[in-house]
Amino acid sequence: EDQVTQSPEALRLQEGESSSLNCSYTVSGLRGLFWYRQDPGKGPEFLFTLYSAGEEKEKERLKATLTKKESFLHITAPKPEDSATYLCAVTGANSKLTFGKGITLSVRP
Amino acid sequence: EAGVTQSPTHLIKTRGQQATLRCSPISGHTSVYWYQQALGLGLQFLLWYDEGEERNRGNFPPRFSGRQFPNYSSELNVNALELEDSALYLCASSFTGRADTQYFGPGTRLTVL
Repeated sequence: EDQVTQSPEALRLQEGESSSLNCSYTVSGLRGLFWYRQDPGKGPEFLFTLYSAGEEKEKERLKATLTKKESFLHITAPKPEDSATYLCAVTGANSKLTFGKGITLSVRP
Repeated sequence: EAGVTQSPTHLIKTRGQQATLRCSPISGHTSVYWYQQALGLGLQFLLWYDEGEERNRGNFPPRFSGRQFPNYSSELNVNALELEDSALYLCASSFTGRADTQYFGPGTRLTVL
């Protein structure tokens, strides 16, 4: 069974303090790894898709990287509006999307 | 371009009743997925529909069912509601059911009293 573990569960940063969120996974036949951002009471907002080890993608202050066992979401100089829950998910050979429990990020001004 | 839409936004039912939730995918998407997000449990996969057929099902009892219509919109039905069914129900759509990115709607908050 596919599994996704995200750490830490919660992260508090000062505005401008860069950090990384971790997503470890086990999956049979990785077809894609996905990062989403979710604000309270709303649906997840798509951020990135990574397909193979070594791949990297960037968007504004966010950069996602992928290895054979884990993915990192790097946040550079975060702002308070980056506060949200960040979800990692994988799709394997069964074409089912399996989510981690998410990392709640709080950025203080 | 319009995103995934869901209705209603909120739904309040009593135990034993039935609930019907609706979802319209992004134009051009043929796959629709349903997820349950209960407090503290993360997103749990419920159902996947593609081209009108149920393609996969999560570990949920048969009282969770649904269908996909010819226009690719979808309906999730929950029969014999239980208190623990209270959750945010999320619908997502994608071009196909393989590794394509899923885009989510805003969700329906179901409260069972």
